[in-house]
Amino acid sequence: GENVEQHPSTLSVQEGDSAVIKCTYSDSASNYFPWYKQELGKRPQLIIDIRSNVGEKKDQRIAVTLNKTAKHFSLHITETQPEDSAVYFCAASLGTKLTFGGGTRVLVKP
Amino acid sequence: GAVVSQHPSWVICKSGTSVKIECRSLDFQATTMFWYRQFPKQSLMLMATSNEGSKATYEQGVEKDKFLINHASLTLSTLTVTSAHPEDSSFYICSARAEGGETNEKLFFGSGTQLSVL
Repeated sequence: GENVEQHPSTLSVQEGDSAVIKCTYSDSASNYFPWYKQELGKRPQLIIDIRSNVGEKKDQRIAVTLNKTAKHFSLHITETQPEDSAVYFCAASLGTKLTFGGGTRVLVKP
Repeated sequence: GAVVSQHPSWVICKSGTSVKIECRSLDFQATTMFWYRQFPKQSLMLMATSNEGSKATYEQGVEKDKFLINHASLTLSTLTVTSAHPEDSSFYICSARAEGGETNEKLFFGSGTQLSVL
């Protein structure tokens, strides 16, 4: 089955700096890659997603890139703010089944 | 976006008792719902896929007789943890897929249920 690796597991950045989280996946047939943000004790919230027919997608301060050949995708957060502090999960989907990465705990220091 | 309601948000029970968790899609129909388990500071692990009107599909290593899933309608799936033990204590979270368009549309998550078994 699909295996998703996510790095780093923790990331501390200064407010205003950029944060980058990287994920790799194993199944080349996976074709949908969402990113979720989860605050402590709350539900994961979809923040951005990308499909395999697109190489890059941007939504305000958040962008995702996908390299199908290398089977990796990344989340980029620019101009980080304290409210960006949370755990971020990447995922890869083949059909209806999502496989999640291990998560990255992001701390934005004011 | 689509809303998924999950109840209860937390439950404490004695060892040996059963606990039922409900997951409802409030403003859309979901033929497929998913149940995850999340340990502290860990990722979401898929337990089973709940299919409306048919048996759930369990992931490897998940005991189907212990984690009973029922998806009786297009808006409701339930997870019953039977004969709960302390090792079943965890954060359980459901999700539902809003149908339409491509085969793997966005997933929307319930608010989760923190289960503590004494």
